[in-house]
Amino acid sequence: SQQGEEDPQALSIQEGENATMNCSYKTSINNLQWYRQNSGRGLVHLILIRSNEREKHSGRLRVTLDTSKKSSSLLITASRAADTASYFCATPPGGSEKLVFGKGTKLTVNP
Amino acid sequence: GAGVSQSPSNKVTEKGKDVELRCDPISGHTALYWYRQSLGQGLEFLIYFQGNSAPDKSGLPSDRFSAERTGGSVSTLTIQRTQQEDSAVYLCASSPGGGQNYGYTFGSGTRLTVV
Repeated sequence: SQQGEEDPQALSIQEGENATMNCSYKTSINNLQWYRQNSGRGLVHLILIRSNEREKHSGRLRVTLDTSKKSSSLLITASRAADTASYFCATPPGGSEKLVFGKGTKLTVNP
Repeated sequence: GAGVSQSPSNKVTEKGKDVELRCDPISGHTALYWYRQSLGQGLEFLIYFQGNSAPDKSGLPSDRFSAERTGGSVSTLTIQRTQQEDSAVYLCASSPGGGQNYGYTFGSGTRLTVV
């Protein structure tokens, strides 16, 4: 079964608005990662947040992690058309070294 | 090179033929992963190499799939007697170590179409 599940499956917003995507997971983790994928090809690593961190920022990205609820959120502020992509969360469940990915949120930013 | 390189970018093959997909990881990255992604789906783990350790093959879907990593660098994923359900994008990633501490750098993938 999926370790991570993103919500919503699809999101459509206007340029300049904020986009929020959520991820829930099942087992204990030591970090959670977010990736972006354009056009169904290679994924780009965006941010890694460790289990002892609650919030992390990178440019227009803000990630939160709530280990008690086993959930994370990715906020993109002041969105741009170039942010249109699919966004995936990924975790190494338990002590595993391999990441398990969710099915992703497809974000469309309309100009 | 600066990134993870995969070849070919696209491969069309006839059902029943064998195919080889290649991955050149970032120099110095000890961990290498293969995933596949079917249309509109998430990533499915296939195999993981870490240094000189035995690979984690737990994600390989059948014995038609195999992979090797020579000299701790280049990796080849081989699919024998291809079937139409093997059609997918095959993604390779590398990292300085395992996912407990590092993010992955992905290649652009190989789109495999079995006709």
